[in-house]
Amino acid sequence: AQTVTQSQPEMSVQEAETVTLSCTYDTSENNYYLFWYKQPPSRQMILVIRQEAYKQQNATENRFSVNFQKAAKSFSLKISDSQLGDTAMYFCAFRAGSYQLTFGKGTKLSVIP
Amino acid sequence: DTGVSQDPRHKITKRGQNVTFRCDPISEHNRLYWYRQTLGQGPEFLTYFQNEAQLEKSRLLSDRFSAERPKGSFSTLEIQRTEQGDSAMYLCASSPAKKINYGYTFGSGTRLTVV
Repeated sequence: AQTVTQSQPEMSVQEAETVTLSCTYDTSENNYYLFWYKQPPSRQMILVIRQEAYKQQNATENRFSVNFQKAAKSFSLKISDSQLGDTAMYFCAFRAGSYQLTFGKGTKLSVIP
Repeated sequence: DTGVSQDPRHKITKRGQNVTFRCDPISEHNRLYWYRQTLGQGPEFLTYFQNEAQLEKSRLLSDRFSAERPKGSFSTLEIQRTEQGDSAMYLCASSPAKKINYGYTFGSGTRLTVV
């Protein structure tokens, strides 16, 4: 069974600064996909960024980028130039084979003005 | 298309009552998923439909839970004889037949409180 671990229950960052959220996972699969989802307070979950395990190049979406270390089974999310609207729960998720996503417990990010 | 819609947004029920939730996916998405999210946890997979066929069910889906997608469009999730442990956010998501690895589109969820 796959597991996803987010070791930082809560984090805070000053507006305009950079923050990195950690995620590790455990799997015996070789082909899989990793995702970061954002869940703002009382709002729906939104896909932030995705990474295919067979791609060595780290994914980037505007201010969001990942550091994917396949051998270490690590998939961290970096948010640059943090904005107040980035305040949310962030979930790391994994998918291999089956269509179901396995989520971590989440990291609550607060952006401080 | 306004995305994935879930109804109701909130539901308070007494223990032992039955409840039913509805999910309307994005119209061109043939895959539909139900997840459950309890406080302080990430979402946990419950079940998955491809068109009207229920293809996968989690062991979390006890006999009191049933899900349907009769015409391959909207889906319902029913919980019979609710228990306090059923209190959670129930999330629905959908994805297209192709580009599954682009991730799901989630609805806003139905928050169930069993008193």
